[in-house]
Amino acid sequence: EAGVTQFPSHSVIEKGQTVTLRCDPISGHDNLYWYRRVMGKEIKFLLHFVKESKQDESGMPNNRFLAERTGGTYSTLKVQPAELEDSGVYFCASSQNRDGYTFGSGTRLTVV
Amino acid sequence: EDQVTQSPEALRLQEGESSSLNCSYTVSGLRGLFWYRQDPGKGPEFLFTLYSAGEEKEKERLKATLTKKESFLHITAPKPEDSATYLCAVQAAGGSEKLVFGKGTKLTVNP
Repeated sequence: EAGVTQFPSHSVIEKGQTVTLRCDPISGHDNLYWYRRVMGKEIKFLLHFVKESKQDESGMPNNRFLAERTGGTYSTLKVQPAELEDSGVYFCASSQNRDGYTFGSGTRLTVV
Repeated sequence: EDQVTQSPEALRLQEGESSSLNCSYTVSGLRGLFWYRQDPGKGPEFLFTLYSAGEEKEKERLKATLTKKESFLHITAPKPEDSATYLCAVQAAGGSEKLVFGKGTKLTVNP
């Protein structure tokens, strides 16, 4: 079974630019989650999709972040415009139920 | 607000030297407590889920236990390949499925 795939693995952009992160969940997993780890802090929840619908977006920091999940398959997380404090590692996870979360390797975003 | 505190932040052990990692939590009704292992440059890898006080789960050299306030991850006779950051997370009962993570314990096992 293929795991959760995220790309790019690394991205360096300038402040004010736009970046789009992509996550391909495990095939058949209806639940898809985005998390973020900022330097020195714990991993924090951003949002949760069930199929193509946003179930919980309580962790989204502000309206510069836009998440979509086309047709209930892959998901994208767009940051526009990026700020310095958006730097960190963005993780995606998927699951079929509430107990087996599989995480991807993450995208390391650096905003300079 | 749900909160998870892990201790120690870092732990160095000699191969074969058993020890325990602590995860203290406050949550408005616990649905589950999760343990993950994370290697550098990788995402968290699932180890265990515990649901109720008194529950225990084992996998190879690892054993996780749960009380109403904390969880322990016991490592018996560790090997160098057990070196990693161990993360604890809680999920509250109710609608949201979000995990609330602690900062982790970085374990180094020297040969």
